[in-house]
Amino acid sequence: DAKTTQPPSMDCAEGRAANLPCNHSTISGNEYVYWYRQIHSQGPQYIIHGLKNNETNEMASLIITEDRKSSTLILPHATLRDTAVYYCIVRVDNAGNMLTFGGGTRLMVKP
Amino acid sequence: GAGVSQSPSNKVTEKGKDVELRCDPISGHTALYWYRQRLGQGLEFLIYFQGNSAPDKSGLPSDRFSAERTGESVSTLTIQRTQQEDSAVYLCASSPTSGSYEKLFFGSGTQLSVL
Repeated sequence: DAKTTQPPSMDCAEGRAANLPCNHSTISGNEYVYWYRQIHSQGPQYIIHGLKNNETNEMASLIITEDRKSSTLILPHATLRDTAVYYCIVRVDNAGNMLTFGGGTRLMVKP
Repeated sequence: GAGVSQSPSNKVTEKGKDVELRCDPISGHTALYWYRQRLGQGLEFLIYFQGNSAPDKSGLPSDRFSAERTGESVSTLTIQRTQQEDSAVYLCASSPTSGSYEKLFFGSGTQLSVL
């Protein structure tokens, strides 16, 4: 699996957009980018994933650069409940086996 | 049930005792995963089941750790002769099939404290 690099922490003002970057410069053509988050005292929760096109769902948007070497998770209107650790994971879809969670980005949403 | 259920939610034990942690996956989910998370750290993969078989046990840290799954349902993680470094949150996750990462659901974990 391709390695990912994320900033260890970020702050965001409540109501503003939170933009969380992820570098995955060694990504292969068949590897997807997955985002999960882990709110304190809970297990991780799936947010969104994509291959090369930008994706949007009710939780977030995922912007993947044309060369696929980096991506950005966007929470359009961050709330205090979005405070969590956000994990960017690169994985071949339907590959079986486990997901490897790296250090992630600790997002603190402040009032 | 509606989600992945883990029990107990908290377990305090003495060093040297054996413990069993239970995971009830979402009904119909054939893939089941165990992770460990030490305080302030990331998730550490332990073992993965497809059905009742464990194709990947590579994450089990020592032979004190074992896991089984029966009836393609409940899984039990057993830690023998617990040590203080075993203190962590043990998380279980399930998905409909292996590799269904967008449908991977985690339980709330078992907080294990070894005194």
